[in-house]
Amino acid sequence: AQRVTQPEKLLSVFKGAPVELKCNYSYSGSPELFWYVQYSRQRLQLLLRHISRESIKGFTADLNKGETSFHLKKPFAQEEDSAMYYCALGSTGRRALTFGSGTRLQVQP
Amino acid sequence: TAGITQAPTSQILAAGRSMTLRCTQDMRHNAMYWYRQDLGLGLRLIHYSNTAGTTGKGEVPDGYSVSRANTDDFPLTLASAVPSQTSVYFCASSDQGGRQFFGPGTRLTVL
Repeated sequence: AQRVTQPEKLLSVFKGAPVELKCNYSYSGSPELFWYVQYSRQRLQLLLRHISRESIKGFTADLNKGETSFHLKKPFAQEEDSAMYYCALGSTGRRALTFGSGTRLQVQP
Repeated sequence: TAGITQAPTSQILAAGRSMTLRCTQDMRHNAMYWYRQDLGLGLRLIHYSNTAGTTGKGEVPDGYSVSRANTDDFPLTLASAVPSQTSVYFCASSDQGGRQFFGPGTRLTVL
């Protein structure tokens, strides 16, 4: 069975501090990992996906198959990064995603 | 391009009543999904459709039904609402690369 674990419900940091939002997954096949972000009262939007190996808004995430992790990182948090972040797992042949429970990031001034 | 639209934005519904949440996309995506979002539980898949004319059950399908008569529309029906169906409902579609695009959500309260 597929599972995504985000152990932190809330992560509070000060502006300029580094951020790491943790995500671990359980899947026996070849995973596709995504990070989605939801700003206050807005729809979910794709932040990044592991196959793109890109940096969006200063965020990066590396897939570590050995540790089954896909942690989201940013070296210097900004107040506008405050949002709900969801890690999601896709699998071969199944387009629907399995989401983690989400982590709320609060960036304080 | 509007992307995905959902209606209504919010609704208060008496228990036992039926309701259909509407979802329309203009991106010509084959695959569409319905999720519910609950605090502490994230998003859970209710039903999905890989292409027009087909549907499938997700993680939490009980009490919900869907239809997919054409590519653009994917309505979600609650036949007899119960308070545990109070949630925010998101419709989504995905492109060939697997990226999912979400609607703005419908906030449903069942009393």
